[in-house]
Amino acid sequence: QVQLVQSGAEVKRPGSSVKVSCKASGGTFSEYAISWVRQAPGQGLEWMGAIIPTLATANFAQKFQGRVTISADASTSTVYMELSSLTSEDTAVYYCASRPINTRYGMDVWGQGTTVTVSS
Amino acid sequence: EIVLTQSPGTLSLSPGERATLSCRASQIVTNTFLAWYQQKPGQAPRLLIYGASNRATGIPDRFSGSESGTDFTLTISRLEPEDFAVYYCQQYGTSPWTFGQGTKVEI
Repeated sequence: QVQLVQSGAEVKRPGSSVKVSCKASGGTFSEYAISWVRQAPGQGLEWMGAIIPTLATANFAQKFQGRVTISADASTSTVYMELSSLTSEDTAVYYCASRPINTRYGMDVWGQGTTVTVSS
Repeated sequence: EIVLTQSPGTLSLSPGERATLSCRASQIVTNTFLAWYQQKPGQAPRLLIYGASNRATGIPDRFSGSESGTDFTLTISRLEPEDFAVYYCQQYGTSPWTFGQGTKVEI
């Protein structure tokens, strides 16, 4: 089964960008769709977007269109999420999660989460 | 987008009791791609149920899911101490995938 390991915590200034990585191991990279889900302090889960790495196609929640980029590097089995024009409302824990494609399965493997703090 | 509305917001129960959590979708969920996740403080969510009624690998059989049209239910037959957590439903049949707002099961 795939395992997902995310990059470390980030502190960013308002207006800047953050790029979080999610490295997959122990599985076949081509068999998964990788999503990004965030959770603001004390709030629920929010799906941001997803990518099928081998197709390099991504889709996003409308809320993040134009501000988020999700990309993949198949050579290192790593998926990236970059969020621009940060505000304090982007302070959250960001998770990557994998879902096996061509199955009915949900997101069964999650990264450990990356805390992004936006503060001046 | 498909809006998922969970109820109740909080469920106060005791160990050994039955918990019934509801998730209502604003429209039909394609292929019944509806999942339930459990989340404990400081942890990533854990997949419990996929495809509305299928238990994920390693999930105890006290957890079950059902579906009737746009209404989905997660049932925990007998609450164990470790089951007190927040539960989210999520649809992944239509982009954008969406989550419900969560139900907290507390003692």
